[in-house]
Amino acid sequence: AQRVTQPEKLLSVFKGAPVELKCNYSYSGSPELFWYVQYSRQRLQLLLRHISRESIKGFTADLNKGETSFHLKKPFAQEEDSAMYYCALSMAGGSYIPTFGRGTSLIVHP
Amino acid sequence: EAGVVQSPRYKIIEKKQPVAFWCNPISGHNTLYWYLQNLGQGPELLIRYENEEAVDDSQLPKDRFSAERLKGVDSTLKIQPAELGDSAVYLCASSVGAVNEQFFGPGTRLTVL
Repeated sequence: AQRVTQPEKLLSVFKGAPVELKCNYSYSGSPELFWYVQYSRQRLQLLLRHISRESIKGFTADLNKGETSFHLKKPFAQEEDSAMYYCALSMAGGSYIPTFGRGTSLIVHP
Repeated sequence: EAGVVQSPRYKIIEKKQPVAFWCNPISGHNTLYWYLQNLGQGPELLIRYENEEAVDDSQLPKDRFSAERLKGVDSTLKIQPAELGDSAVYLCASSVGAVNEQFFGPGTRLTVL
């Protein structure tokens, strides 16, 4: 069964510090991986997906199939980055169950 | 564009009562999802629709939960009877086909007393 693991429930950093939110997955096929974000009092929304290979709001994430990881990184955290971050896995093609991690709460202190 | 619309936003009921949630997806989105989110956890899929067909419902507790998506547009999720453990946030999302970006609604927070 596919699984997504976010080992940290809470990550607390100061403004300007680097941030890395960890995500590991277990799936034997070709995964589609996403990072979703939920800011305070807002709905869950897509931040980025691995196939787009974009940098969104300064965040990047690289799929490492060897380590089955999709860590989210940002070199200099900003206070407005404070939010809940969820890593999600979808299979490519066929019947599937999109799977979310439990989420990591990022708090960026001034 | 209003995005995914859900109602009600909050619902408080006593155990053993029935409850229903409604979702209207973004126009043109053929895939619709219902998720359950417990406190401190990520969303867990209950059921996924492709148009009006339920294609992933293995995680829906069918003894008390039911869902429908008549005409392949809006959808209703029902619980009958509700139990204390059903207290959670119920999220609806939609997308253009599976494996693409999902757009989420604001959720319905259910409290069962």
